[in-house]
Amino acid sequence: DSGVTQTPKHLITATGQRVTLRCSPRSGDLSVYWYQQSLDQGLQFLIQYYNGEERAKGNILERFSAQQFPDLHSELNLSSLELGDSALYFCASSRLGGRNYEQYFGPGTRLTVT
Amino acid sequence: AQRVTQPEKLLSVFKGAPVELKCNYSYSGSPELFWYVQYSRQRLQLLLRHISRESIKGFTADLNKGETSFHLKKPFAQEEDSAMYYCALGETSGSRLTFGEGTQLTVNP
Repeated sequence: DSGVTQTPKHLITATGQRVTLRCSPRSGDLSVYWYQQSLDQGLQFLIQYYNGEERAKGNILERFSAQQFPDLHSELNLSSLELGDSALYFCASSRLGGRNYEQYFGPGTRLTVT
Repeated sequence: AQRVTQPEKLLSVFKGAPVELKCNYSYSGSPELFWYVQYSRQRLQLLLRHISRESIKGFTADLNKGETSFHLKKPFAQEEDSAMYYCALGETSGSRLTFGEGTQLTVNP
């Protein structure tokens, strides 16, 4: 078990709605990453936070936002949901922010937009 | 821009046969390459990284900078190796991982 936890495991919601996905990193890890895994786009990097600050941004839509709190847990907010947002959302954490530090992945949150 | 290509979406071998999963990359900087494995849409697990030069579960991968490749190999495949395998590139800046499209490996009995 990598120690990264994500809630909820599954989420079913309707188009136009807003949801919040939560991630708790491994104990001691300062950096959190969010990835989206969909059938047509594959695994794509969304955003990274390091010790509460945004560090890097990838293919994240303007309808999506994220933050990392003082206790280092992170939340990914998805709003005005569309059918195409249905995907598996992974959170990963690493000790620091550099590439020499392995990213440990959580079990993911499966989002279904109907 | 960085790019990772895994040319085979599906790969099927018989138990005991050698297996090679191909990975090619494009990156202007000094690459950090990884292989991740995902069993039945569960969490991704790091299988190996080129810098450590370890052999995990019998798998090895060598970084070939001339051919910009990082192919994953195992001399004798096992049924439990059936999974989705992703090659990933870590940027110099140390943030994102860029993943390939993945190869679904099936090891038949």
